[in-house]
Amino acid sequence: SAVISQKPSRDICQRGTSLTIQCQVDSQVTMMFWYRQQPGQSLTLIATANQGSEATYESGFVIDKFPISRPNLTFSTLTVSNMSPEDSSIYLCSVVWLGQSNEQYFGPGTRLTVT
Amino acid sequence: AQKVTQAQTEISVVEKEDVTLDCVYETRDTTYYLFWYKQPPSGELVFLIRRNSFDEQNEISGRYSWNFQKSTSSFNFTITASQVVDSAVYFCALSEEENRDDKIIFGKGTRLHILP
Repeated sequence: SAVISQKPSRDICQRGTSLTIQCQVDSQVTMMFWYRQQPGQSLTLIATANQGSEATYESGFVIDKFPISRPNLTFSTLTVSNMSPEDSSIYLCSVVWLGQSNEQYFGPGTRLTVT
Repeated sequence: AQKVTQAQTEISVVEKEDVTLDCVYETRDTTYYLFWYKQPPSGELVFLIRRNSFDEQNEISGRYSWNFQKSTSSFNFTITASQVVDSAVYFCALSEEENRDDKIIFGKGTRLHILP
C-alpha cells in the first residue's frame, strides 16, 4: 500500500528558532494538507499545499509563520518559524490519493516540543 | 456551516464490553462525506471508514460497525467485544462536496479507555 512519511518524527527546539518538516509520499496525490494538533486537542487545518504555487491558508494561520512549499506532486514541507512554546504540537500532513477523492490519509506526524 | 460534535469526551469500559461512540454533524450541503479516524497513543491517525450522504446502509467490519442516520444527523461507531488495543482517541469528521477541495472538519474526539 502507498506510504506517507514525515521527517523528523519528533524534535525538541528552542524558542525563536525554526523547524522544517518534510512530507513525502510514494504515489501520486491530488491534494496535500498540513494540520496542527495541540496537546489533547483535535486537528486544525493549517493550509492546503498547492503544487508550484503559494499554499492556501486557513483563518488564523499566515505564511510568515508557517511557510509551506510543494515543489512537486509527492513532496511538501512545512516550516514552523520563530517558534514559541505555544507551537508545541503534533504536525501532520495528509494526502488525497489520485483517484480517491474525498478520502484523506495521514502521515505519522511530527511531535514538536518548544522549550 | 459545517460542524461535527462528539459529545463524549472520554469513555472507559471493561474489556469485552460493547461501546458506542456518538457523532452528530451539521451541514447545509446535500452531498457530503463522513469519516471515522483512530489515533492510538503512537499519534498516527488511522483511516477507518468513509460514508457518503447517499448511502445510509449500515456497515460492519469485523468488530466495528457504523450506524448512519440522516434523520438525526448522526454517524455512530460501535466496537463489539472491545479489546485493550482499541484504546485510542477516535475522531469523527465531515467533508462537504460543494467545497470541492476535500477539506475535512474534525470533531473534538472521544478518548476511549479499554480496561483489562
